[in-house]
Parts: sequence; structure tokens; C-alpha cells
Amino acid sequence: DTAVSQTPKYLVTQMGNDKSIKCEQNLGHDTMYWYKQDSKKFLKIMFSYNNKELIINETVPNRFSPKSPDKAHLNLHINSLELGDSAVYFCASSPLSRGMAYNEQFFGPGTRLTVL
Amino acid sequence: AQKVTQAQTEISVVEKEDVTLDCVYETRDTTYYLFWYKQPPSGELVFLIRRNSFDEQNEISGRYSWNFQKSTSSFNFTITASQVVDSAVYFCALSAAYSGAGSYQLTFGKGTKLSVIP
Repeated sequence: DTAVSQTPKYLVTQMGNDKSIKCEQNLGHDTMYWYKQDSKKFLKIMFSYNNKELIINETVPNRFSPKSPDKAHLNLHINSLELGDSAVYFCASSPLSRGMAYNEQFFGPGTRLTVL
Repeated sequence: AQKVTQAQTEISVVEKEDVTLDCVYETRDTTYYLFWYKQPPSGELVFLIRRNSFDEQNEISGRYSWNFQKSTSSFNFTITASQVVDSAVYFCALSAAYSGAGSYQLTFGKGTKLSVIP
């Protein structure tokens, strides 16, 4: 009965490869997010989707592309991986609809990406 | 632009001591929401509390309490009688409108690492 799940939990890969991280939520939420947590623990939003529509797209390299096949899924595809992409990536969801900023975000367990 | 500042990078306390984690925020929005999340060593992010900008009442939940002061733009978190299990990184976060697009961005502080020593 996991609320927000991510796969894989750990991802080790070589520079230049392309990889994907999957996220699924079974909470019936409208909005999903991707965050990046760097080695200093700083959490920063990357993307936000509301009902499969891209809402927030922070300054993220074009190599990162989110894909939302349906409301319950938001996958993150990364092309041409670089050393600096090593981080923990968190997926989150919230029952957010327009005008309702108060809903807390529920986070997945995170995916630790290591680029060698 | 929104900003959340957690000036304390790391704090160490001895078990059973009280500890307060500071959080100062900046936003131009009149309606906003403040949150605290806990990230234990296992890595997951755990929601602790939400407070809206119109409710300045302090809140207590067991050993945890929160002090929201709009006049100083602060939302501080106190743990009473700390325990080893409280050791974690604690994040303060702010949610306010994002570019009027109808979605709301959660801006995190840099976190405070709390170590409770037995």
C-alpha cells in the first residue's frame, strides 16, 4: 500500500548513458513533482505536472525530460548523464488543484543516482 | 521570489535537552503555507506540520511544538526532551503561488542537521 513509489532505489551508471527513473502514486493526487537533492542535502524542485500538464519547469538542462503517461505516473528521463547529475531524486505528489496551495506533498523514498 | 533560510546548519544536543530549529522565510504573497519535513538517516522525507499565513496560533504535538510569528517571518520548531530517534535533517519549506499558473512551488530551506547524543 505504498503511497508514492520510485524505481529504482539505487542507480549506478557511466557518464554519457541515458537512464530513466519511474514514479507512481496511488493516492489519486492531481499533481506530481520531481526534486533533486544534492550532496549538501539541498532540495530543489525540477518539474511539476498537474493532470499530465507541465506546470513548473525550473532551470534544468534539456537532458532532463519528464514524461507523464497518466495522472498517477511521472517518469524522469535523463540523457547523456554527467558527473554533476549524481544526486538523490525525489518524486512527490499532492492533492493540489488550482487555488489550493496548502496541500502537503507526499514524497517517494528517493532514487540515489551515481554517475561514474 | 520565495526564500527560506535555516541559519543553523548543524546542531548537537544531549538526549533530553530541548532544541529549537530556526526558520525564516521571505515571500511577497499574502497567502502562503509553511511546512516542516524530517529526513532521517534512512533518507525518506516525512511531513511534520503545515501552517497557513492566517493562523498564527502555536501548535504542539507531543514533544514537538511550532512557533509561527508573522511579524518576524519566522516559523521555528522546538523539540522538547530530545531523543536519539530525533536525529535527522529537518527542512522548513514555503508554498506560495508560482507565476500565477495555478500551481504552487514548495521552496525548501537548506536544512538543519540535528544530532542527539545519548
